[in-house]
This record gives sequence, structure tokens and C-alpha cells, in this order.
Amino acid sequence: KAGVTQTPRYLIKTRGQQVTLSCSPISGHRSVSWYQQTPGQGLQFLFEYFSETQRNKGNFPGRFSGRQFSNSRSEMNVSTLELGDSALYLCASSAGGGLGTDTQYFGPGTRLTVL
Amino acid sequence: KNQVEQSPQSLIILEGKNCTLQCNYTVSPFSNLRWYKQDTGRGPVSLTIMTFSENTKSNGRYTATLDADTKQSSLHITASQLSDSASYICVVSGASGGSYIPTFGRGTSLIVHP
Repeated sequence: KAGVTQTPRYLIKTRGQQVTLSCSPISGHRSVSWYQQTPGQGLQFLFEYFSETQRNKGNFPGRFSGRQFSNSRSEMNVSTLELGDSALYLCASSAGGGLGTDTQYFGPGTRLTVL
Repeated sequence: KNQVEQSPQSLIILEGKNCTLQCNYTVSPFSNLRWYKQDTGRGPVSLTIMTFSENTKSNGRYTATLDADTKQSSLHITASQLSDSASYICVVSGASGGSYIPTFGRGTSLIVHP
């Protein structure tokens, strides 16, 4: 069974631009969560989607948004990029329990650099 | 404010030795505690998940303990291998009204030397 895939793996943008990252979960998984990882703040939770609905949300500004499609694939969008948005963006999928007690499987991440 | 503190920040041990990593948290109300292993440049890999009623969970050479009263957890690694060199991250999820919000520790960087 294929693992979680994220595209693109690397991305360079300039301040003020917007970016869309994609995550394809493990086949059959219905929950997708997004995380931001930076050297300064470590890992932080962005949001979780289940059956096309946002189920949980972390403490990030509205510039960070996401959505999930009927095939469980998910996208994350960041508008009006700031230098501080430079980070590794990770997504994780799970069968359904998500952040409850399901095992989460992480993708390799998308490395975003904002210049 | 929900917080997760891990210690030590970094640890160097010799191959074959055991080690214990610590995690203290103030997350409330508590739902579950997870330990992850993250190799450099890769996504985290789940090691254990524990709920309030569980106080020990093993995964091969990894054994996690949870004391919900003192809000402390530990991850014990037995007979370390070079491949155990990684960052170990403790994550505690709070639950409220059906929502779960995970709070991450900063991790312990473990280096295993031959």
C-alpha cells in the first residue's frame, strides 16, 4: 500500500504570493491533518479534515486554509506569504479516528521557502 | 496554556546502551499522548499512543509509560542501535467537545555512537 504523498516536495515563493500544497492520503484513509514544522517553533498543528469537513483547527491566522476532496485528497493554501511562513509542511493521514487514537501516518513534507 | 516539555534536549549514548526520554505536560483536558520518531529530513513515525487509562505501551525496543496523575510520560529505548539516532517527539492531545488539539514538545535529539 502506497504511503502518504505530498507535492511538491520543494517550493520557493516570494513575499505576498500565495501557495497551494497537496496531500494524497493512504488509500482508504479519510482523515488528513496538516502541520507546520520550523526550527524556532517546532511542530504545530494547522487543521484536520475528515469527509470533506474541517474537524479540528489549530491556532493559525486565516491566511492558512485547507480543503478536502471526495477522494480524501487534501490541499492547503497559504495566502499573502510572509518570511515566517518558511517551513516544512507535513500532512498525515489516518483511517478515521484522526487525532483521537488512530495511528497517524506522515508524508515526507513540502519544504516551502519564502524570499 | 497547554504545554509539553521534553528533556533532555539532546542525548548521546553508545550503541547497545539503554536510555530514557522524559515528557511533562500541562494539557487539559487530556485525551491521548503519542511518541514519534523523526529521522532528519523525513516525516515523523508513530511509536506509541496512550490514553488516560493506559500506563504502559510497548513497540519492540520502545516502551512508553504514562502517569496521568503527575502528567508525565517517558520513552525507554532498550539496546540502542545506530538507526535509533533521530529526534523523538512527545505529542499530547487535549479533547473538548469532540475536538482534539495536539500540542507538540520540542523533541529530544538522540545520537547513538558505535
